[in-house]
Amino acid sequence: DAGVIQSPRHEVTEMGQEVTLRCKPISGHDYLFWYRQTMMRGLELLIYFNNNVPIDDSGMPEDRFSAKMPNASFSTLKIQPSEPRDSAVYFCASSLRVTRNTIYFGEGSWLTVV
Amino acid sequence: QKEVEQNSGPLSVPEGAIASLNCTYSDRVSQSFFWYRQYSGKSPELIMSIYSNGDKEDGRFTAQLNKASQYVSLLIRDSQPSDSATYLCAVTGGGSNYKLTFGKGTLLTVNP
Repeated sequence: DAGVIQSPRHEVTEMGQEVTLRCKPISGHDYLFWYRQTMMRGLELLIYFNNNVPIDDSGMPEDRFSAKMPNASFSTLKIQPSEPRDSAVYFCASSLRVTRNTIYFGEGSWLTVV
Repeated sequence: QKEVEQNSGPLSVPEGAIASLNCTYSDRVSQSFFWYRQYSGKSPELIMSIYSNGDKEDGRFTAQLNKASQYVSLLIRDSQPSDSATYLCAVTGGGSNYKLTFGKGTLLTVNP
């Protein structure tokens, strides 16, 4: 079975541009998570969905960030406008019955905003 | 703010030694506890989960949980250079709180 698939793997963009990160969770998984990882702050949960519905977006840093999950096999994380402090690795992850099952991470999207 | 604390390291051990990694958490009602391993430039991967007080062993890895002390640890026996990585402690909240909160990780280096 394919794992969590993220795109793009690497992106370099200029400050002020819109960035869209994409994720395809593992088929059949009903939870999807977006995490951001930086050296300073570690791995932070931004938002998670259950059955395509956003459950907790309290980790989204500000209104420039938005996430959608239009169907069970696709999610996007959008940053508009992007800023240099958004530079980080963004991980998408999915799981079944989140409290007891393994969370599987994608390979990450490495974002650099210059 | 619920927190998960780990020593950032680096923790350096010789090959064949026992590596001991520690983690404390602030939320008393936390229910599930995990250790993830992350190699440089890679994504985290789950190596151990533990849900009740005591020890849980899986091969060379042993997770220990003490809910009264709000403390989780990971022991790696017969450490190998391939164990060199950052180890992340992660904790879920209680009740319907499904958030998985991560510590910042401990960098482990196993020297041949």
